[in-house]
Amino acid sequence: AQKVTQAQTEISVVEKEDVTLDCVYETRDTTYYLFWYKQPPSGELVFLIRRNSFDEQNEISGRYSWNFQKSTSSFNFTITASQVVDSAVYFCALLGDYGGSQGNLIFGKGTKLSVKP
Amino acid sequence: DGGITQSPKYLFRKEGQNVTLSCEQNLNHDAMYWYRQDPGQGLRLIYYSQIVNDFQKGDIAEGYSVSREKKESFPLTVTSAQKNPTAFYLCASRGQLFNSPLHFGNGTRLTVT
Repeated sequence: AQKVTQAQTEISVVEKEDVTLDCVYETRDTTYYLFWYKQPPSGELVFLIRRNSFDEQNEISGRYSWNFQKSTSSFNFTITASQVVDSAVYFCALLGDYGGSQGNLIFGKGTKLSVKP
Repeated sequence: DGGITQSPKYLFRKEGQNVTLSCEQNLNHDAMYWYRQDPGQGLRLIYYSQIVNDFQKGDIAEGYSVSREKKESFPLTVTSAQKNPTAFYLCASRGQLFNSPLHFGNGTRLTVT
């Protein structure tokens, strides 16, 4: 079975603090993909990043960084120097290989991040 | 700009009535999806369609129906058989590759009383 766990339901930080959102996944597929999406109050999910299972290199995009560790089945997301505009619900998602998943994502339950000024 | 349009943004219905949620995309995507979002539950897949005139049940299809007569459109009907229809509904589409990111609409918040 495939599963994504985001243990942190809600996180509240003060602006300029760093914050890490945890994501732990389960899959038996050798090829799989991990995603992060942001859902601001407007409701639309916005794609942030996709990683495949063969690429464990960490990625940085501005204030955002992602730490992918196959050994612990984790794909954590860190926001450096958080800003009020980062307030949103963040979803981690898993896509297995095509045969099993048919292109259907498995979403975690999301982490609601509140950044206070 | 290309994107996905869901309408209306808010929808109110009386219990026992069927209601249809609209989803239109101009991204030329073949695959389209409907998700339901409840507080603290994440996104659950209702139906998906990978090509015109074909669609498949997702994890929570009971009480819902869809059609895919045109590539651009994937309407979702919430029937009176759906026991707890009040929720936030999200439509999404995907490009040609199965591992392409999903593009989402702004959602429709349905309230049934």
